[in-house]
Amino acid sequence: NAGVMQNPRHLVRRRGQEARLRCSPMKGHSHVYWYRQLPEEGLKFMVYLQKENIIDESGMPKERFSAEFPKEGPSILRIQQVVRGDSAAYFCASGGTDLRYEQYFGPGTRLTVT
Amino acid sequence: GIQVEQSPPDLILQEGANSTLRCNFSDSVNNLQWFHQNPWGQLINLFYIPSGTKQNGRLSATTVATERYSLLYISSSQTTDSGVYFCAVEQGTGGFKTIFGAGTRLFVKA
Repeated sequence: NAGVMQNPRHLVRRRGQEARLRCSPMKGHSHVYWYRQLPEEGLKFMVYLQKENIIDESGMPKERFSAEFPKEGPSILRIQQVVRGDSAAYFCASGGTDLRYEQYFGPGTRLTVT
Repeated sequence: GIQVEQSPPDLILQEGANSTLRCNFSDSVNNLQWFHQNPWGQLINLFYIPSGTKQNGRLSATTVATERYSLLYISSSQTTDSGVYFCAVEQGTGGFKTIFGAGTRLFVKA
């Protein structure tokens, strides 16, 4: 799982700003998952993407959140008009070339909204 | 949706002791993984085990899919085993959502 890269590792935003979190999957992986972890809680599924395709976004909030995984480049989780409740650790995991594959996690991005 | 329950929620062990962590799930699943989140927040893969038994050093895991539970065994615990252990399942039908349990918080005393 050391191969999954996330940046930035720490991100501070003021209320109302936009946050962009990046995830580069392990080499050879074409599936990406995003999760959110609030302090002292477990991980909550947000979205599951394949290159250029959203497979399952049933965990994404209806407003302000979006995700993409373009043909070239990292996957992006975008949070518009951040609020203090968005402060959390956001983890990305990558899987193999098929659906329903073992997931490997990146180090996470700690978002703090002031 | 599928429910994932882990027990116990908290566990304190003396170094060298053995323990068993349990994960119950409420419906059929496609995949099941065990992770260790260390005190620095990093998630480490332990086992990918939708069914059967696997062993890796002092750790082993068993999943009985027909009875909807999985067990993680830690033998001869060490202080570096401290952290939170999560079970995560991918629901069997109706999507690809992965559900994490609330975790078992383990502290191993020297």
